[in-house]
Amino acid sequence: GENVEQHPSTLSVQEGDSAVIKCTYSDSASNYFPWYKQELGKRPQLIIDIRSNVGEKKDQRIAVTLNKTAKHFSLHITETQPEDSAVYFCAASNPRTSYDKVIFGPGTSLSVIP
Amino acid sequence: GAVVSQHPSWVICKSGTSVKIECRSLDFQATTMFWYRQFPKQSLMLMATSNEGSKATYEQGVEKDKFLINHASLTLSTLTVTSAHPEDSSFYICSARPIGLYNEQFFGPGTRLTVL
Repeated sequence: GENVEQHPSTLSVQEGDSAVIKCTYSDSASNYFPWYKQELGKRPQLIIDIRSNVGEKKDQRIAVTLNKTAKHFSLHITETQPEDSAVYFCAASNPRTSYDKVIFGPGTSLSVIP
Repeated sequence: GAVVSQHPSWVICKSGTSVKIECRSLDFQATTMFWYRQFPKQSLMLMATSNEGSKATYEQGVEKDKFLINHASLTLSTLTVTSAHPEDSSFYICSARPIGLYNEQFFGPGTRLTVL
């Protein structure tokens, strides 16, 4: 089945700097890659997603890039703010699995230092 | 739009008892709902996929007789943890996929289960 790896597991950046989180996936048939932000004790929130027919997507300070050949995708957060501190999960969805289930990476704990 | 609720938000029970958790899509219909379990400082692990009107599909290693799933309507799925033990203590989160959408899912707020 699909396996999603994520690095780094923890990341500390100064406010205003950029943060980059990288993920790899194992199943070349996966075609949907969402990123979620989760604050302690709360539900995951979708912050951006990308489908396999595009290589890059941007939404204000957040961007995601996808390299299908290498099977890796990355989250870029620019001009980080303290409220960006949270755990971020990448995920991958394979349409050949039943019900397009989404498999999560292990997560990255991001701390933005004021 | 696309709001998913869970009830209860937290529950404490004694070992050996059963606990039912409800997941509702409030403003959309969902033929597919997913149940996840999340231990502290870990990722979301998919337990099972719940499909309205049919049996749930469980992930490898998840005991279907222990985690009973019922998806009786297009807006409600329930997860019952039977004969709960302390190792079942976890954060259980459901998600729902609106009819006609592919891949996307909307998460409930989660249920914190503590088994004493």
